[in-house]
Amino acid sequence: QSALTQPASVSGSPGQSISISCTGTSSDIGGYNYVSWYQQHPGKAPKLMIYDVSIRPSGISSRFSGSKSGNTASLTISGLQAEDEADYYCSSYTIINTRVLFGGGTKLTVL
Amino acid sequence: QVQLQESGPGLVKPSETLSLTCTVSGFSISSHYYWGWIRQPPGKGLEWIGIIYHSGITYYKSSLESRVTISVDTSKNQFSLKVNSLTDADTAVYYCARVTVAGLGHDYWGRGTLVTVSS
Repeated sequence: QSALTQPASVSGSPGQSISISCTGTSSDIGGYNYVSWYQQHPGKAPKLMIYDVSIRPSGISSRFSGSKSGNTASLTISGLQAEDEADYYCSSYTIINTRVLFGGGTKLTVL
Repeated sequence: QVQLQESGPGLVKPSETLSLTCTVSGFSISSHYYWGWIRQPPGKGLEWIGIIYHSGITYYKSSLESRVTISVDTSKNQFSLKVNSLTDADTAVYYCARVTVAGLGHDYWGRGTLVTVSS
């Protein structure tokens, strides 16, 4: 089964807002509210930033928010900071055997 | 707090079997969570491998299912990964993680361990 589709890269200036999209199908993103987002800095393990489409785990800044429309989920980061520069991955539950799909990842550059 | 730590050989030969163990501390592996494995080839994205519940129920990525086995040892609070018939394409950083049952979010991760497949 194909991975979820994310843009390879996005960029923004400090203080701005950016959004990263994650496109799937009705068998995964479109059918269930089980989308997660992960932040990964170089050489580090991924960190859960959003789960169940829009819920932030304890300790995650309110600058990070998630949403979904149809088969596409989005991660929005407001008030960009230098420390937000990282790779971001989406994932979703899928009804098909695989159970979990990851996106290909998006590199966020803070200009 | 919940901590996970991967352990196993860093170098394995092609055609052989990779064996990794994830030791969980600060939390019981018999609680209502899945426990999973994810890998990341150098310079590439994350690839989901599979998950296990403490009862032994497993789910695997379909394309890896014929080569992968995940098992659990509740007495040691550990779970393990075996991948057989290794090729260069299996070279990756392997992560273990705790996985929520409801939405399959991976909320706690180990630091990862690099496994290189080479003769």
